Amino acid sequence: EAQVTQNPRYLITVTGKKLTVTCSQNMNHEYMSWYRQDPGLGLRQIYYSMNVEVTDKGDVPEGYKVSRKEKRNFPLILESPSPNQTSLYFCASSFTGAYNQPQHFGDGTRLSIL
Amino acid sequence: AQSVTQLGSHVSVSEGALVLLRCNYSSSVPPYLFWYVQYPNQGLQLLLKYTTGATLVKGINGFEAEFKKSETSFHLTKPSAHMSDAAEYFCAVSKSGGSNYKLTFGKGTLLTVNP
Repeated sequence: EAQVTQNPRYLITVTGKKLTVTCSQNMNHEYMSWYRQDPGLGLRQIYYSMNVEVTDKGDVPEGYKVSRKEKRNFPLILESPSPNQTSLYFCASSFTGAYNQPQHFGDGTRLSIL
Repeated sequence: AQSVTQLGSHVSVSEGALVLLRCNYSSSVPPYLFWYVQYPNQGLQLLLKYTTGATLVKGINGFEAEFKKSETSFHLTKPSAHMSDAAEYFCAVSKSGGSNYKLTFGKGTLLTVNP
């Protein structure tokens, strides 16, 4: 089954404790992206990757890092989480080459930073 | 820069009634338009998309949307609402050009279906 898998689904942690949210896709997609969803704001892009070792900032990259060492994985790293990073996070992937390709989304990771 | 406006953060309809969720976009280049649905505790699922060609697009679960360039709109409709349609709906736009396939989302519309 084609899917984007995120882990963990839920996490409560404290300010300053480094955490990583993993994202893996099994569709051989080149493009992967992270979004955060906040009430009343919709989804906003954090980082994206066009392919292995190619990453770039989205609209709200502050406080986040990413890496793309393998095609299927695109982890999101919060080096020193703060309460304003409490949010619902989604990983997405798609083929490149055409902007009309729909993106496939994971089920989300709800982070609470205390 | 492109943007998406969804009119009405919350829409409530009766079961069997018409569903109309409004979406207007702004884009300096021909857009690609999408509607996604989010059920509670789930990710976003593609309902339908407009790229080129026919302006009336049919999607899953009986939904359809019409691209109207002159009105910069892409409203989502369904003739008869079911209880299972209760969810949050997001309109999104992407554009050609550049190296980022970013989707720009509207703020979402929560659809409630009353028995």
